[in-house]
Amino acid sequence: DAGVTQSPTHLIKTRGQQVTLRCSPISGHKSVSWYQQVLGQGPQFIFQYYEKEERGRGNFPDRFSARQFPNYSSELNVNALLLGDSALYLCASRVSSGPPYEQYFGPGTRLTVT
Amino acid sequence: GESVGLHLPTLSVQEGDNSIINCAYSNSASDYFIWYKQESGKGPQFIIDIRSNMDKRQGQRVTVLLNKTVKHLSLQIAATQPGDSAVYFCAELQEGRRALTFGSGTRLQVQP
Repeated sequence: DAGVTQSPTHLIKTRGQQVTLRCSPISGHKSVSWYQQVLGQGPQFIFQYYEKEERGRGNFPDRFSARQFPNYSSELNVNALLLGDSALYLCASRVSSGPPYEQYFGPGTRLTVT
Repeated sequence: GESVGLHLPTLSVQEGDNSIINCAYSNSASDYFIWYKQESGKGPQFIIDIRSNMDKRQGQRVTVLLNKTVKHLSLQIAATQPGDSAVYFCAELQEGRRALTFGSGTRLQVQP
């Protein structure tokens, strides 16, 4: 089975622009979470979605938004990009919103804001 | 506040030796812990997990130990190989919470 897939792999944007990142979970997984990983740090939680509903949100500004589609894939949108948004954006999938808790990560999208 | 931290930023070991990576957590309500391995340019890879009602769990060449008294977690890797070189993160989750909380990571370097 394919793992979590993310697109694009790399992206370069200018300050003030908007970006959309995409994620497809492991087949059979209904929950998708998004994390931001700044170089040299651990991932920071942004959102969790389950059955197309937002189930959790981290400490990120309203410029960050996401949605989940009927096929359980997800998009992360970031508006009005800042230099500090440069990071690796990770998508993780799990079977459901509750147990089992194992989360499996995709390879990430490297976003560079200039 | 809540935190999941790591004692050592870099650990260097000889190939064939055993490695021990440590992690301290501060939230006594955490009841689930995961170790992830992250190689350069890749996403975190699930290694092993443990629930708070356990104190030890073994996988293939890896063992996780949980000491709830001192809020300490460790990952032991037996017969460390060059392919084990990576950054290792511990992460914690409270039941009912939606997000994993990660530490900053320990870089494991395996010397041939």
